[in-house]
Amino acid sequence: GAVVSQHPSRVICKSGTSVKIECRSLDFQATTMFWYRQFPKQSLMLMATSNEGSKATYEQGVEKDKFLINHASLTLSTLTVTSAHPEDSSFYICSARGLQSYGYTFGSGTRLTVV
Amino acid sequence: AQTVTQSQPEMSVQEAETVTLSCTYDTSESDYYLFWYKQPPSRQMILVIRQEAYKQQNATENRFSVNFQKAAKSFSLKISDSQLGDAAMYFCAYQPGNTPLVFGKGTRLSVIA
Repeated sequence: GAVVSQHPSRVICKSGTSVKIECRSLDFQATTMFWYRQFPKQSLMLMATSNEGSKATYEQGVEKDKFLINHASLTLSTLTVTSAHPEDSSFYICSARGLQSYGYTFGSGTRLTVV
Repeated sequence: AQTVTQSQPEMSVQEAETVTLSCTYDTSESDYYLFWYKQPPSRQMILVIRQEAYKQQNATENRFSVNFQKAAKSFSLKISDSQLGDAAMYFCAYQPGNTPLVFGKGTRLSVIA
């Protein structure tokens, strides 16, 4: 079945630095990638939607200059958390959709800790 | 606004018994998809079952089945013969057309040996 590889699974960074999270679709072309944030014991909160070759569409309240999303190819999307602060610590999950009209494949998530 | 409501923050079930998780949604769309996802402690989101709104027949996947009531906008998940590995967070999700999934807040299921 469809697989999305997300790396790193865990990352600890210092406050003020930037962190890049990658999601790769391994056996299908991800025309659309969704990025979510999940706080402990809460649901997934959509941060942004990106289509290959286009600028990402950010949800209300999500800072596009802080959370840079690149979807330059049909198999790779990246989320860069710039100038990270402790409040950016969270679990980030990507989800990809291919050419089928339904269904999403999720990455395994990245636990970001900013110290 | 399209919303998904899971009214049971926590549920528990005895091993080998049956449990039903509730989900309701609000939409004005006629064509959409509904999903149940499982998120174990690893936090990997796993698709449990999917239902197309235009299909009247309830979806079934082994021990997992749904009761889809379109008019009532209800989409409950039944887990039969519960196993310890079923313990997880379960999220109901709704997809209207080519748009992002809308998730409920989740139900934490515990399985008691």
